[in-house]
Amino acid sequence: SYELSQPPSLSVSPGQTASITCSGDKLGEKYASWYQQRPGQSPVLVIYEDNKRPSGIPERFSGSNSGNTATLTISGTQAMDEADYYCQTWAITVIFGGGTKLTVL
Amino acid sequence: QVQLQESGPGLVKPSQTLSLTCTVSGGSISSGSYYWSWIRQPAGKGLEWIGRIYSRGSTNYNSSLKSRVTISVDTSKNQFSLKLNSVTAADTAVYYCARTTPDWTTVSFDYWGQGALVTVSS
Repeated sequence: SYELSQPPSLSVSPGQTASITCSGDKLGEKYASWYQQRPGQSPVLVIYEDNKRPSGIPERFSGSNSGNTATLTISGTQAMDEADYYCQTWAITVIFGGGTKLTVL
Repeated sequence: QVQLQESGPGLVKPSQTLSLTCTVSGGSISSGSYYWSWIRQPAGKGLEWIGRIYSRGSTNYNSSLKSRVTISVDTSKNQFSLKLNSVTAADTAVYYCARTTPDWTTVSFDYWGQGALVTVSS
C-alpha cells in the first residue's frame, strides 16, 4: 500500500523559513495537498494541487512537488504557524502523511 | 461560507454501531460537483479517510473499513451520515466531516467540521 512519510518534528526561529517534506514513491507524479492543524482545532487546507493556496491563506505558504518529495514552505514563519502539518495525496485511496509538528521558537 | 457540524453520541459500547450526522449550512449539499467525506483522528495520531458520498448517493470507502462502514445522504435535510458497526476501542477518535473536491487525482478537503469525539467503551 502507498505511504507518505513526514519528519515527526521541525523547529524554526521566528522570521525564518520552514520547509516541511513529504516523501512517497513517485509522489511528483501525483498531486499533493497540505493541511495545518493547530492544537484542539480542525485541519485547515493551506495548499492544494501541489502549489495552489485557498482563499485566505497567507502568501508565506507555498508548495512544490517533484520526484519523490512534496515540500511545504513557510516563509517568514510566525508564532501563529506553530501547528501540526499533514500532507495528503490520492493513490487508489486517500492517503495522509503521519504529520509534522512545527515548533516556532 | 460553507459550514459543517457533526452530531451524535459521544460514547458507544463495544460491538455496537457508531452513528454520526454532518449538517451542512451556507450552501446546498446538492450544488456543484463536491463530494462529502468522513475522516477520523485518534488522539495524538494522524488522519484517516473513512469514505465519501455524492449528493446522488454514490459512495467510495477506505478498503480497510469498507466492511463496517455505511455513508448515506439526506438532501432534504442537507445532511450526510456515517455508520460504523462492530466498533472496538480502536475506533475511538475524533470524527470529522469535510467537503471533498470531486476529482480523485486532485482530491482535497477544503471545509471541515469542528469534529466529534467518539469514545468506544463499556
